[in-house]
Amino acid sequence: DVKVTQSSRYLVKRTGEKVFLECVQDMDHENMFWYRQDPGLGLRLIYFSYDVKMKEKGDIPEGYSVSREKKERFSLILESASTNQTSMYLCASSRTEIGGYTFGSGTRLTVV
Amino acid sequence: KQEVTQIPAALSVPEGENLVLNCSFTDSAIYNLQWFRQDPGKGLTSLLLIQSSQREQTSGRLNASLDKSSGRSTLYIAASQPGDSATYLCAVISTTSGTYKYIFGTGTRLKVLA
Repeated sequence: DVKVTQSSRYLVKRTGEKVFLECVQDMDHENMFWYRQDPGLGLRLIYFSYDVKMKEKGDIPEGYSVSREKKERFSLILESASTNQTSMYLCASSRTEIGGYTFGSGTRLTVV
Repeated sequence: KQEVTQIPAALSVPEGENLVLNCSFTDSAIYNLQWFRQDPGKGLTSLLLIQSSQREQTSGRLNASLDKSSGRSTLYIAASQPGDSATYLCAVISTTSGTYKYIFGTGTRLKVLA
């Protein structure tokens, strides 16, 4: 069964901490994505990557960065966590740019 | 700018009923359309992917149709069960400034009553 695995289901971090959210896929997909999901705002794209070492800004990249050193792993970094980054974070991957998405199970991050 | 709308936002039905969820999009120049379900506090699970050249896709009790010219897709759920209770989202793939992009609807929250 193909999978996108997000390392943590729940995280609680303090304001100002550097936070790493990890995502690993076992499908040999080229493309990986990070979204956040908030009530009333839906899913918003933070960053995406179409290849190893490549990254592109999505719609709301401010306060975030990403790393993709290996094809299967795409990490989201909150440089200095703030309370407005409390959210559900979802990682997804796809084989092609127009291929179907496979999502991970999500990480609920709370910044206090 | 592509916009995706799902109406109604919430729906309650008795168990066993057949039901239709709607998804509308403003720009018919799409590549694919994908339906997902999301259980509370969980990630999105893919249900069906319809390529732009297709009219429908079926999986078990689910059937999704696509009419690009009218900017509409429907998800038909036959003989609904309490386990079908979830939020259903549709997403279309369009291009924006030469970049492929998924545009998500805000979802329909379905409750199937036993």
